[in-house]
Amino acid sequence: QVQLVQSGPEVKKPGASVKVSCKASGDTFTTYGFSWVRQAPGQGLEWMGWISPYNGNTNYAQKFQGRVTMTTDTSTSTVYMELRSLTSDDTAVYCCAGLTPRTMISHSYNIWGQGTMVTVSS
Amino acid sequence: SSELTQDPAVSVALGQTVRITCQGDSLRSYYASWYQKKPGQAPVLVLYGNNDRPSGIPDRFSGSSSGNTVSLIITGAQAEDEADYHCSSRDSSGYAVVFGGGTKLTVL
Repeated sequence: QVQLVQSGPEVKKPGASVKVSCKASGDTFTTYGFSWVRQAPGQGLEWMGWISPYNGNTNYAQKFQGRVTMTTDTSTSTVYMELRSLTSDDTAVYCCAGLTPRTMISHSYNIWGQGTMVTVSS
Repeated sequence: SSELTQDPAVSVALGQTVRITCQGDSLRSYYASWYQKKPGQAPVLVLYGNNDRPSGIPDRFSGSSSGNTVSLIITGAQAEDEADYHCSSRDSSGYAVVFGGGTKLTVL
């Protein structure tokens, strides 16, 4: 099964942007779907959006529209999430999560990256 | 509504059965998923679709559904089941995903 390895922790100032990567092992990258889910300290999980490596189609949560961009690089089996205009409210652990063909109908994430801590502080 | 509502905390005696519920209008139309989340670890999918368990998830985890409410049932709870449990589903539009606020399960 595919494994997901994310980039390391980031510290950013308010107003800056952050770009987090998520590299997938295995050769079935384009058959999967990927989302980004974040968890702020003491809060629940929050869905940010979804991208298909097959055709690059994206769907972002309304809350992040205009501020987030998700992309893929099929040559390296990597998914990226860029979040702009950061505020302290964006301090959270950001996880990439994968949908395999078996779980796409129910939109269930059965593979997860290890998480990337993004801290926004002046 | 596109929200999923969970009780913040539930406790269960070791070896007993516990039900964790998730309520929302979208659950009338879309499957729910359940994730186990322990501090410092990535979420783990424990139940999805029509009461399906991923490989490696013990069969003490099961689910039920009625109307706009789904439940995760742990039959014979173990100490290692102590975690936060989050439900999710597509939202009412079908294009986005929503998570419940999570339920902290304590095994006594």
